[in-house]
Amino acid sequence: DVKVTQSSRYLVKRTGEKVFLECVQDMDHENMFWYRQDPGLGLRLIYFSYDVKMKEKGDIPEGYSVSREKKERFSLILESASTNQTSMYLCASSSLTRTSGSYNEQFFGPGTRLTVL
Amino acid sequence: TQLLEQSPQFLSIQEGENLTVYCNSSSVFSSLQWYRQEPGEGPVLLVTVVTGGEVKKLKRLTFQFGDARKDSSLHITAAQPGDTGLYLCAGGVKTSYDKVIFGPGTSLSVIP
Repeated sequence: DVKVTQSSRYLVKRTGEKVFLECVQDMDHENMFWYRQDPGLGLRLIYFSYDVKMKEKGDIPEGYSVSREKKERFSLILESASTNQTSMYLCASSSLTRTSGSYNEQFFGPGTRLTVL
Repeated sequence: TQLLEQSPQFLSIQEGENLTVYCNSSSVFSSLQWYRQEPGEGPVLLVTVVTGGEVKKLKRLTFQFGDARKDSSLHITAAQPGDTGLYLCAGGVKTSYDKVIFGPGTSLSVIP
């Protein structure tokens, strides 16, 4: 089974701090994604990466950056955390390889609930 | 902009009842996925439907993709407390990467 792990389940930071969220997947997936989830807004894509050192902006990249130095690891960085970045952050991965019956399903980590005070 | 809407937003039912949740869009999707998310956890994929009119069953859950591939429904028969969670639909978009558009979700609570 695909396993996606995230470095922290809960995180509390202060305004202005630099925050690192780490995500690791063990299935050799090419694609990795960072979403934030807020009540009533669903999942919104922050950044994604389809290869090592490659990154693309999603729908809400402002205030965030990412790093993908290794295929299995995708990091989300909040350069200067703000209270409006309090949210649930979800990492996901998917494979570009299409085996019979597979599509662009995404596999998610357990999430990091970040609170910025 | 492609958007997915889900209805109802919230649903609270008694154990044993049947229910249907809906996922609608004005856009055509190459595939439609349903995920369930339990509190404090990440979404877990339940099913993917691809062909217009396709019906898939997963035990007491029945998923249908609309003929025009713009909408989908999830029907649960004889709901159980273990079905409680947030149900998310997600539409697959054919792009250079695996783009998926998520709906806002239906929060289901099954009361024993």
